[in-house]
Amino acid sequence: DAGVIQSPRHEVTEMGQEVTLRCKPISGHDYLFWYRQTMMRGLELLIYFNNNVPIDDSGMPEDRFSAKMPNASFSTLKIQPSEPRDSAVYFCASSPGGSAEQFFGPGTRLTVL
Amino acid sequence: QKEVEQNSGPLSVPEGAIASLNCTYSDRVSQSFFWYRQYSGKSPELIMSIYSNGDKEDGRFTAQLNKASQYVSLLIRDSQPSDSATYLCADSGGYQKVTFGTGTKLQVIP
Repeated sequence: DAGVIQSPRHEVTEMGQEVTLRCKPISGHDYLFWYRQTMMRGLELLIYFNNNVPIDDSGMPEDRFSAKMPNASFSTLKIQPSEPRDSAVYFCASSPGGSAEQFFGPGTRLTVL
Repeated sequence: QKEVEQNSGPLSVPEGAIASLNCTYSDRVSQSFFWYRQYSGKSPELIMSIYSNGDKEDGRFTAQLNKASQYVSLLIRDSQPSDSATYLCADSGGYQKVTFGTGTKLQVIP
C-alpha cells in the first residue's frame, strides 16, 4: 500500500506569493494532520481533521494559513501571503480511527525568500 | 499546556552498546506513548508504541513506561551506526491528538 503522499517535495517562493501544499492520506485512515517542523520549535501541530471535518485548528499560526479537506483522499494547506518566517518543513500525517499511531508523509520543504 | 520533555543530546554511544533515551510527560491522563525515529532530512517513522506500565520489546528495541513517575524510555541494544537519528517521544491523552517532544539526537560511533 502507498503511504502518505505529499506534493510538492520542495517549494521555493518569494515573499507575498501564495503557496499550496497537498496531501493524500493512507486509504481508510479517518484522521489527517498537518505539522510544521523547524529547528527552533520542533514539530508543531497546525490542524487536524476527522472524516474531512476540521477538529482542532488552534495551532494555525495566523489567518494567512488555511487548510481544507474536500474529500477523504485529499487535503491542502495554503499560505497566503507567504513570509520568510514560514520557511520550514511541512508534514502531513494520517491515522486510523481507534489508534493514535500516526504515519507521516515525506514532507514539503518550503523556502520563502 | 501538555508538555513532553526530552534531552536534546547529542547522546553518543559506541557501536554495540546500549543506548538509553528518556522522556517525561506532564499530562497525567496520557494513555498512549510513542517513539518515532527521524533520520536527517526524512520524516518521522513510528518504531514503538506502549500503552501500559512495564516493558515492551521489539527486536533490539525496548520501550519502558512508568505512569506513576510520568516517564517513558527507549532502550536500543547492540546499537548500530544506522541507529544514528533523532528520536521523538510522543504521548496521547486518549484522543487522536499527539504531543511530540523536541527529540534526542543519537550518535552511534563505529
